[in-house]
Amino acid sequence: NAGVTQTPKFRVLKTGQSMTLLCAQDMNHEYMYWYRQDPGMGLRLIHYSVGEGTTAKGEVPDGYNVSRLKKQNFLLGLESAAPSQTSVYFCASSYRRLAGGKQFFGPGTRLTVL
Amino acid sequence: AQTVTQSQPEMSVQEAETVTLSCTYDTSESDYYLFWYKQPPSRQMILVIRQEAYKQQNATENRFSVNFQKAAKSFSLKISDSQLGDAAMYFCAYRSNSGGGADGLTFGKGTHLIIQP
Repeated sequence: NAGVTQTPKFRVLKTGQSMTLLCAQDMNHEYMYWYRQDPGMGLRLIHYSVGEGTTAKGEVPDGYNVSRLKKQNFLLGLESAAPSQTSVYFCASSYRRLAGGKQFFGPGTRLTVL
Repeated sequence: AQTVTQSQPEMSVQEAETVTLSCTYDTSESDYYLFWYKQPPSRQMILVIRQEAYKQQNATENRFSVNFQKAAKSFSLKISDSQLGDAAMYFCAYRSNSGGGADGLTFGKGTHLIIQP
């Protein structure tokens, strides 16, 4: 049981390049989330998904797109990376019916945009 | 929108002593959950403790306990018998329960806890 995994762990991009971050969970969770963490800040919600084929915007969605084609995977895409997107990205997942909605976090992806 | 405020950017405590981290939040909702997460240098987010707003009893987990004051919208974390392994960033987080449990977490900016040996 690997829990929540993220690929890649580190990435450096040039401004204007595109990339996709992959989040995978093997706990059969319905809900999945993408957050970003900037220095001196807590995590902020980018997008989330309540089930396969559905996504919704969070607090800071601009410049990102997401897809959830399979229940276990949640992809975060940057179509044209900007230096302001330099951050650490966390994926999380949770059960739909678990009281308290504990979220299980992945290890994070450190992205640098030059 | 909900906000979470942690007014202590950094706290320092001697090993084996007790420390309290502060958190206040702003919401108009009555049904929600509050969390404390620990983030060590490894970056992994680790759930420390969770409180349900409709429960008056304060949550406890071994050396960790909270003081939940719903009317004051305050949610402080007390760490007893501090250990070197407790050194980390601590984040207070809020989650609404109005969205059927799907809402993401709203985090404070964190408190850096230093443990002095």
